[in-house]
Amino acid sequence: NAGVMQNPRHLVRRRGQEARLRCSPMKGHSHVYWYRQLPEEGLKFMVYLQKENIIDESGMPKERFSAEFPKEGPSILRIQQVVRGDSAAYFCASSPRWTGLGEQFFGPGTRLTVL
Amino acid sequence: DQQVKQNSPSLSVQEGRISILNCDYTNSMFDYFLWYKKYPAEGPTFLISISSIKDKNEDGRFTVFLNKSAKHLSLHIVPSQPGDSAVYFCAASADGGYQKVTFGTGTKLQVIP
Repeated sequence: NAGVMQNPRHLVRRRGQEARLRCSPMKGHSHVYWYRQLPEEGLKFMVYLQKENIIDESGMPKERFSAEFPKEGPSILRIQQVVRGDSAAYFCASSPRWTGLGEQFFGPGTRLTVL
Repeated sequence: DQQVKQNSPSLSVQEGRISILNCDYTNSMFDYFLWYKKYPAEGPTFLISISSIKDKNEDGRFTVFLNKSAKHLSLHIVPSQPGDSAVYFCAASADGGYQKVTFGTGTKLQVIP
């Protein structure tokens, strides 16, 4: 009964490259949430997706960031032309339906380092 | 602007004693509060929550207290066990909504055997 899977666990990119982070929700979960934890800060909501739909992206930076959750396959958080300020831990969570925070199950995170 | 603050980055407690983790918030619109526990290399795990209509919620060894007038909440762990050693995050939201969630920066608890 696998939990939320994220890969890679660690990702190093040079400035200007693209970063692609993957999240496979728990079996039976069709809702995915992405959070970012910058150094010395708490987790912050970025985007909420259901299969093939972005429900709320109010926490996403306006430029360079995009997210998708296709019908088949994992959810992907894409960061184009990365900058040093994108260095952070990116967590995804999943739930079987829209729910309050307590029912979201978190993955182990992807730590992105931008050189 | 850090709306949820955990001012103690770390805490050490002897096994069997009480651990008290504190959290302060500034946004009076917050009405739902949660505590998460995080082990290294793992994602946060939900621990316990409290609605603003209550001032206490208990679940086994874990109790959360909410003081709305002081905008302060605390998590009590009694008795503390070595397996409780982890980073604890408090989080707050308005209307229980995911999109308005704000996390604190975490307190690292070490329970000494």
